[in-house]
Amino acid sequence: QVQLVQSGAEVREPGASVKVSCKASGYTFTNYGISWVRQAPGQGLEWMGWISDYNGNTNYAQKVQGRLTMTTDRSTSTAYMELRSLRSDDTAVYYCARAPEGYFDWSTPDEYWGQGTLVTVSS
Amino acid sequence: EIVLTQSPATLSLSPGERATLSCGASQSVSSSSLAWYQQKPGLAPRLLIYDASTRATGIPDRFSGSGYGTDFTLTISRLEPEDFAVYYCQQYGRSPRTFGQGTKVEIK
Repeated sequence: QVQLVQSGAEVREPGASVKVSCKASGYTFTNYGISWVRQAPGQGLEWMGWISDYNGNTNYAQKVQGRLTMTTDRSTSTAYMELRSLRSDDTAVYYCARAPEGYFDWSTPDEYWGQGTLVTVSS
Repeated sequence: EIVLTQSPATLSLSPGERATLSCGASQSVSSSSLAWYQQKPGLAPRLLIYDASTRATGIPDRFSGSGYGTDFTLTISRLEPEDFAVYYCQQYGRSPRTFGQGTKVEIK
């Protein structure tokens, strides 16, 4: 079965960086891209971007472009999301997610989700 | 970017009643690339409907989606106790993917 397991909670000071991991199992990692979505406390969902391990293509939301880097490690079937120059409004739960079977590009919904990683930005 | 507006913000209903949730888009959503998610407190979102009307794997048939262009609807035919949650629509046909602000379905 498809599983996405994320790294644990992080606390950072403003201006620092954070890197969250998402380890995939139960499918061929390179066949499907990984999306990242965040949710600030008590707020709605915000799509951050998508990466394909197959060809390295990325698609970032403009709001975080310039501070965001998504990468993958095919040898460990792991995707990473690094956010730099953190601000207090980056405090959120960060989710990785994958498309349904047969949906391979960036313009897809997300059926499989990680458990979420809380990133707290505070001095 | 495409802005999605969900209504109502809160829906107060009793178990067994029918729920109708709306999602309006600021521009036409290409290829009916519209999904609905359910989210309960402390949990990740759960995909219910994609391509406007296709139920995701394991989703009960009391959930149905309809619409095209700029107007979409999620219908829950008879509310079960486990259906009380927040529901989000999302368009994924044009970058960036965007979500609506959510509709909370609460017990009356």
